[in-house]
Amino acid sequence: DGGITQSPKYLFRKEGQNVTLSCEQNLNHDAMYWYRQDPGQGLRLIYYSQIVNDFQKGDIAEGYSVSREKKESFPLTVTSAQKNPTAFYLCASQSGWMSGGTEAFFGQGTRLTVV
Amino acid sequence: AQSVAQPEDQVNVAEGNPLTVKCTYSVSGNPYLFWYVQYPNRGLQFLLKYITGDNLVKGSYGFEAEFNKSQTSFHLKKPSALVSDSALYFCAVRPLGQNFVFGPGTRLSVLP
Repeated sequence: DGGITQSPKYLFRKEGQNVTLSCEQNLNHDAMYWYRQDPGQGLRLIYYSQIVNDFQKGDIAEGYSVSREKKESFPLTVTSAQKNPTAFYLCASQSGWMSGGTEAFFGQGTRLTVV
Repeated sequence: AQSVAQPEDQVNVAEGNPLTVKCTYSVSGNPYLFWYVQYPNRGLQFLLKYITGDNLVKGSYGFEAEFNKSQTSFHLKKPSALVSDSALYFCAVRPLGQNFVFGPGTRLSVLP
């Protein structure tokens, strides 16, 4: 099956901990994205990667970090510097960042809760 | 600044009636336009897109959308709503050479 897989589905973090959310795609897409979704709000862009070994900050990158060492993988680390990390996190991929007319494919999301 | 507005937080419609979910945008140039649907605790699913050509585009599950350049709108429509259409709907635009810009979402409730 081709698609984009996020894991885990639910994640609990203690105060002061770093946690990493996994995102893997087997669609051979160049571009990948991380979004944060809060209740009643749209999607906010955290980081994006146009191509392997490259990534850029989005609108709300503070307290987050990413890597793009492999084309199929784009993990997101939520660091202790992120003051309000409880949210639903969505990963997406697209065939090419310059392919503006192609749709993005989304994973099923990870719900992160600080306990 | 680039922005997408979905003026209704909630749309209620009776099953079998036509539905419309509104979207207007303010971006530079001629962006690509998209609609996505989200069911609870799930990711977004692509419904349809407008790239160029006919202003009425057809998508998945019987949905269609009408592009109006002069009004910078891209309203989602369906002739006959189903209870299973109840979900959160997002309009998105993608200006050339830039990232997606998503609207805040509209919750659609189809009442039996």
